[in-house]
Amino acid sequence: KNQVEQSPQSLIILEGKNCTLQCNYTVSPFSNLRWYKQDTGRGPVSLTIMTFSENTKSNGRYTATLDADTKQSSLHITASQLSDSASYICVFNAGNMLTFGGGTRLMVKP
Amino acid sequence: SAVISQKPSRDICQRGTSLTIQCQVDSQVTMMFWYRQQPGQSLTLIATANQGSEATYESGFVIDKFPISRPNLTFSTLTVSNMSPEDSSIYLCSALWGESAQYFGPGTRLLVL
Repeated sequence: KNQVEQSPQSLIILEGKNCTLQCNYTVSPFSNLRWYKQDTGRGPVSLTIMTFSENTKSNGRYTATLDADTKQSSLHITASQLSDSASYICVFNAGNMLTFGGGTRLMVKP
Repeated sequence: SAVISQKPSRDICQRGTSLTIQCQVDSQVTMMFWYRQQPGQSLTLIATANQGSEATYESGFVIDKFPISRPNLTFSTLTVSNMSPEDSSIYLCSALWGESAQYFGPGTRLLVL
């Protein structure tokens, strides 16, 4: 069974600090991996998308990495801002079937 | 990116009633999906909305409870029927462009009293 596990479940950091969110997966094969940001009560918004053959993808202060050997992906947020407070979800696409991680709830405090 | 809109954005309903959620996409798409996200949980796929034919439901979801329409390539509706408090959730529409570009609508926040 395809599984995607995210860690930590929740995280509190101070504004301006960096953080890294982890995603461990067993989905195989897959065509692409997305990291989404989901504000409370809103729909997910795509931050990055990587194919299975890519190792890293950046979007401003967000950098996603993918290690196929360890079956891990990470999302690194630099210089965090209060508006980064949200849930972050990694999602694997295999044959148009999406497998969602449980999400990491990030809170950035001033 | 694509623009997906949903109506209503939120609603409070009485148990036993039904609510129809609309999803509009700004361009023709190959596939549309409906998801549910219960409080504190990740997204769960309800069904794939097929244009011109009956929706394909995931295990645990049935047409009588969640009838879906997709009359064309840019529009779909999801009805939550005979609601109970357990149906309180965020309902999200999603659309797939080509093979890999999947986007989500803003969601409909439903509270059933």
